[in-house]
Amino acid sequence: RKEVEQDPGPFNVPEGATVAFNCTYSNSASQSFFWYRQDCRKEPKLLMSVYSSGNEDGRFTAQLNRASQYISLLIRDSKLSDSATYLCVVNLNTGGFKTIFGAGTRLFVKA
Amino acid sequence: ETGVTQSPTHLIKTRGQQVTLRCSSQSGHNTVSWYQQALGQGPQFIFQYYREEENGRGNFPPRFSGLQFPNYSSELNVNALELDDSALYLCASSWGLAGGNEQFFGPGTRLTVL
Repeated sequence: RKEVEQDPGPFNVPEGATVAFNCTYSNSASQSFFWYRQDCRKEPKLLMSVYSSGNEDGRFTAQLNRASQYISLLIRDSKLSDSATYLCVVNLNTGGFKTIFGAGTRLFVKA
Repeated sequence: ETGVTQSPTHLIKTRGQQVTLRCSSQSGHNTVSWYQQALGQGPQFIFQYYREEENGRGNFPPRFSGLQFPNYSSELNVNALELDDSALYLCASSWGLAGGNEQFFGPGTRLTVL
């Protein structure tokens, strides 16, 4: 089983749609959680950190469920510029620090 | 732009050779992490350096080694290159040890092993 698993995608949605990405992690000792965005042939960039209380940044909402070891990202009112790969990221420190990225979910937003 | 720079941008090597990749961290950052990203995959954690000491390591063999310098720049060395080492190598800098801080990525070095 992969340490961080994401929806394989790709997701093809029209502009204005709401899209949800799911991610699960296997290590209950995981400490911090993020969503990164990676555009084609570019480096990853932080989209948002994820907290148990949930957090929202404009059209983006992230949620963490520690009991289920599940992370989600919701994008409302999708824009063409949201087309990218979304990476679920988990940090843990069990006898040494480690950052684990999921394989990413590709999103295509169509006009 | 993040302020994290990497060199070279592209590199072609042959199997069995050795390679050194370099990374300059963003001003004020004291932690550097290195990742390998194969096409269509997420970045795979190689290791992290904090204040010149290795702070964590992923599932990579010992032929992947690194250094962090007093100015917090870093090198990734790969010995005895294999074809499967062909990938994009990313470095990311951050501040502190906690792991809860944002990592800022450089543009990467594309390594091709023939």
